[in-house]
Amino acid sequence: SYELTQPPSVSVSPGQTASITCSGDKLGDKYVCWYQQKPGQSPVLVISQDTRRPSGIPERFSGSNSGNTATLTISGTQAMDEADYYCQAWDSSLVVFGGGTKLTVL
Amino acid sequence: QVQLVESGGGVVRPGGSLRLSCVTSGFTFSSFGMHWVRQAPGKGLQWVAFIRYDGNNKYYADSMKGRFTISRDNSKNTLYLQMNSLRAEDTALYYCAKDHTVTTSGFDSWGQGTLVTVSS
Repeated sequence: SYELTQPPSVSVSPGQTASITCSGDKLGDKYVCWYQQKPGQSPVLVISQDTRRPSGIPERFSGSNSGNTATLTISGTQAMDEADYYCQAWDSSLVVFGGGTKLTVL
Repeated sequence: QVQLVESGGGVVRPGGSLRLSCVTSGFTFSSFGMHWVRQAPGKGLQWVAFIRYDGNNKYYADSMKGRFTISRDNSKNTLYLQMNSLRAEDTALYYCAKDHTVTTSGFDSWGQGTLVTVSS
């Protein structure tokens, strides 16, 4: 079965750039979406189809996808961005989530 | 605004059954694919099932195939998940979620979830 691999944790200082990776076989051939989930809350779609920001998502969130790796980039990271982040893609007729990355802003 | 409200969770014994519902409002339900996604306590997101906007295509995660059935009633703007032969590992918060635009565009609206606990 298809797998998406994320680092368990990433740390970033306020105002700096955070990068969270998601790896999978030929992932660049698929569309990747990213979700933010804060404690006790439902996930929020922050990046759609590799690079698209849904309405209401700040410009500091961006995405890319090429080869075997997709990347979520948060520029000028703020304390409010501290959360778990999940990548997601379709493989054939199945939806796959990455294991999640805990972003710590310190 | 878009709203998704799940219900039907509870405590059930191993081998038992539950039917979850997700009542929606604020969008044209019959135009969007819908999903169930679950999250075990302290764990990550796990996709459960998808149903196309018209109910004609349904897909399931391998571990749910044959035990879970997704369905929808477009006249009632409601999504369902029938869960049979429940196991302890099915214990989780179950979310319903709506496709953003097309199927590969992600899930742009989520409910608050309904908790399913499988325990003897």
